[in-house]
Amino acid sequence: AQSVTQLDSQVPVFEEAPVELRCNYSSSVSVYLFWYVQYPNQGLQLLLKYLSGSTLVESINGFEAEFNKSQTSFHLRKPSVHISDTAEYFCAVSGSNDYKLSFGAGTTVTVRA
Amino acid sequence: SAVISQKPSRDICQRGTSLTIQCQVDSQVTMMFWYRQQPGQSLTLIATANQGSEATYESGFVIDKFPISRPNLTFSTLTVSNMSPEDSSIYLCSVVGGNTGELFFGEGSRLTVL
Repeated sequence: AQSVTQLDSQVPVFEEAPVELRCNYSSSVSVYLFWYVQYPNQGLQLLLKYLSGSTLVESINGFEAEFNKSQTSFHLRKPSVHISDTAEYFCAVSGSNDYKLSFGAGTTVTVRA
Repeated sequence: SAVISQKPSRDICQRGTSLTIQCQVDSQVTMMFWYRQQPGQSLTLIATANQGSEATYESGFVIDKFPISRPNLTFSTLTVSNMSPEDSSIYLCSVVGGNTGELFFGEGSRLTVL
């Protein structure tokens, strides 16, 4: 079984400042790693994923995450946030052969002008 | 990708009643999952529903409380039985897209039990 820890429950940040959301996981098997975003009153959307290959993965809206196997981490970063990035962010992990996701508790990012 | 439609999108129900949530996918998928998101909390997997077999429930969830049907590769239902206020949650259907391991989620069904 896998588990996920998101170390920050709330992250307030000013517009155009950088942000990092921390995610650590535990697993005894190979994993797939995901970041999902939930905008206010909307459904869950995939932000980015790591399945294999390059440990640095990027999204189309400027987020990136780096898989660090030795530290069992998959931290999410964005160098400059926008007001529209205000949302709940969930880190998730699945075994590479069962697709069942275990989610972290979520991090609420609030971007202020 | 997969487009997932859930019905109802929201409902208010009385204690002791049951509600069935429908999940329709625009393509045939083998693996389908039902998640619950309680207010202010993260998502928890309820069960895996694969066509042609009985649903597999996670610890803490039982078939009598959350019966699931999976009649074909594009449709599933989740029933929340004998509801109590503690069942007030968003219930989400998700499917595996292709062989990438990516899960796609429906918009969710927001259930309030009075």
